Amino acid sequence: GEDVEQSLFLSVREGDSSVINCTYTDSSSTYLYWYKQEPGAGLQLLTYIFSNMDMKQDQRLTVLLNKKDKHLSLRIADTQTGDSAIYFCAESRQAGTALIFGKGTTLSVSS
Amino acid sequence: DTGVSQNPRHKITKRGQNVTFRCDPISEHNRLYWYRQTLGQGPEFLTYFQNEAQLEKSRLLSDRFSAERPKGSFSTLEIQRTEQGDSAMYLCASSPNGAVSEKLFFGSGTQLSVL
Repeated sequence: GEDVEQSLFLSVREGDSSVINCTYTDSSSTYLYWYKQEPGAGLQLLTYIFSNMDMKQDQRLTVLLNKKDKHLSLRIADTQTGDSAIYFCAESRQAGTALIFGKGTTLSVSS
Repeated sequence: DTGVSQNPRHKITKRGQNVTFRCDPISEHNRLYWYRQTLGQGPEFLTYFQNEAQLEKSRLLSDRFSAERPKGSFSTLEIQRTEQGDSAMYLCASSPNGAVSEKLFFGSGTQLSVL
């Protein structure tokens, strides 16, 4: 079946790098996404990666994809207190358009 | 345009009552999605529309749930005979045309509490 797994909690200090990991099971996933959710707000797309890519960098964000292991990671460089939020990994399949989300990783950044 | 708008932000109802939520997507976005999110979980897909046509419904969408998008613009989600298990955040999202590479723009959600 389809499933997206994430670690539930990550705590880092301001200025450190954060690495949030995700594994997925559907090998037909075409795009993989990282969304951010702040308290009381809707989800905000941070970045996405196409399944034929290994890495994508966007300012402080680096996405790594290991398609063989079905493992996706999001690295946030120079983490700031404003990065504290829940981060969701999501996948979409070729045949459908619904996103399948993980349960989210709560990132806590302390100063 | 201020993004995807959802109303109301919060809804408290008694078990057995009907509730209706509204979503106004970003103008000219053809795709509209409904998701449900419970505490500690990621959003779960419920249904989506391409213009006014409802193209896919999740198994989560029981017969007590109905969604409409009559003119291809705003959408409503109605829950009949609410149950306590319906308590959740109901999220609406839209995208221009539904291509897999498109990003979804999410609203802030409607928080439903069923007492």
